[in-house]
This record gives sequence, C-alpha cells and structure tokens, in this order.
Amino acid sequence: GAVVSQHPSRVICKSGTSVKIECRSLDFQATTMFWYRQFPKQSLMLMATSNEGSKATYEQGVEKDKFLINHASLTLSTLTVTSAHPEDSSFYICSARDQGRVGTQYFGPGTRLTVL
Amino acid sequence: GQNIDQPTEMTATEGAIVQINCTYQTSGFNGLFWYQQHAGEAPTFLSYNVLDGLEEKGRFSSFLSRSKGYSYLLLKELQMKDSASYLCAARGGSGYALNFGKGTSLLVTP
Repeated sequence: GAVVSQHPSRVICKSGTSVKIECRSLDFQATTMFWYRQFPKQSLMLMATSNEGSKATYEQGVEKDKFLINHASLTLSTLTVTSAHPEDSSFYICSARDQGRVGTQYFGPGTRLTVL
Repeated sequence: GQNIDQPTEMTATEGAIVQINCTYQTSGFNGLFWYQQHAGEAPTFLSYNVLDGLEEKGRFSSFLSRSKGYSYLLLKELQMKDSASYLCAARGGSGYALNFGKGTSLLVTP
C-alpha cells in the first residue's frame, strides 16, 4: 500500500518556541495533503488542506498565522506550529491523497507534540 | 452540512462477527471510507465505497446505501488484534477532505 512518513514522531518543546513537522509521501505524488489534530479519545479534526504550489486552505477556527503550512513539492508538506503553548499539545497527523487510488487518503504515523 | 454518527463502543467475542454501523449526512457526497486506528497510532485504510452495495476484502467487508446515508463495516472471524477504534469518514463537497465520525471503539474478548 501507499506509504506516508512523518517526522518527528515525538517532540517536546518549551512554551513560545516553534516546531516543524514534515510529512512525506514515499511512493506516490500527492498534490493534496491534509493536516489533522487529534485529542485523546476524540476523532480526527481537519486543520487544513495543503495544496502543492499554492496556499493552504484552513478550516474555520484554525489560525493560519499560528499553523504555517508549506507544500513545496509533490511529496512534501510541512506544518510549523509557531509560538507553541501547552494547549497546542496534541497528536498531529498528516495524510496524502493518492489520485491513482480513487483519491484515498493515506495517513502518516503521526507526531505527538508536548508543549511544556 | 456534514454529520457522521457511529456507536461509541462495541464488544464482541474472538471468532465472532461484528457489524459497525455509520450514518452520514454529507453535502455532495462522493465516497465513504473506513479506517482502523490503534491507540496512539495513525489510522490505516480499510475500505472505500462510492456505489451502493457490498465491497469484500478478506475478513473485512463494507456496505453502502447512498439513498439511506448508511454504511456498515463487517468484521468476520474476529481476532484479538482487531481491538481498535474504527473510523467512518465521508467525503463530499468540492474538495477532497474527509469528515470523520468520532470512531467506534471495538473490544474483542477471548
């Protein structure tokens, strides 16, 4: 099946710092990637849709200046959490859309962010 | 609008069959997905339905009725490792984003 990698898998940072998370599609090209956030025992909440070569589309309530998304190539999207605060601690998961497989989204392994 | 409903929890016995239901109300519906998620891990793709009917893939099958806004995931010959959360997700509208339900936590007991 399609493989999506995500790095880092875990990160602990101090309040006020910025953290960058990378999402890569390893065996297919993805013009569209998605970033989700998941709190414990909750479902996946879509944060933004990342489109290669254009600006990301953010969901209502998600601050675009706080969660910077860059999709510079067909295999890489990055999410930068700027000026992180403890309430940003969560499980961040990316997915990549494989156009060749009826547009199925394949998920990365996720990044556990803890802000102290 | 987008609204996905599925049961919160289910329990079944090893070797048995379990059916997890999902109802959806999705504007411009164009696909229903099922994912499996183990605790602390990312979801893994199980199945996709866009036309009415049953899609079978090994021990897992998924059914869709577009007119009823209804889908189910059927798991046969349950194994202990099938204990996980099962997420129903509908795709609709003009984009490709998925709207996820809250997930059904399945516990398989000996």
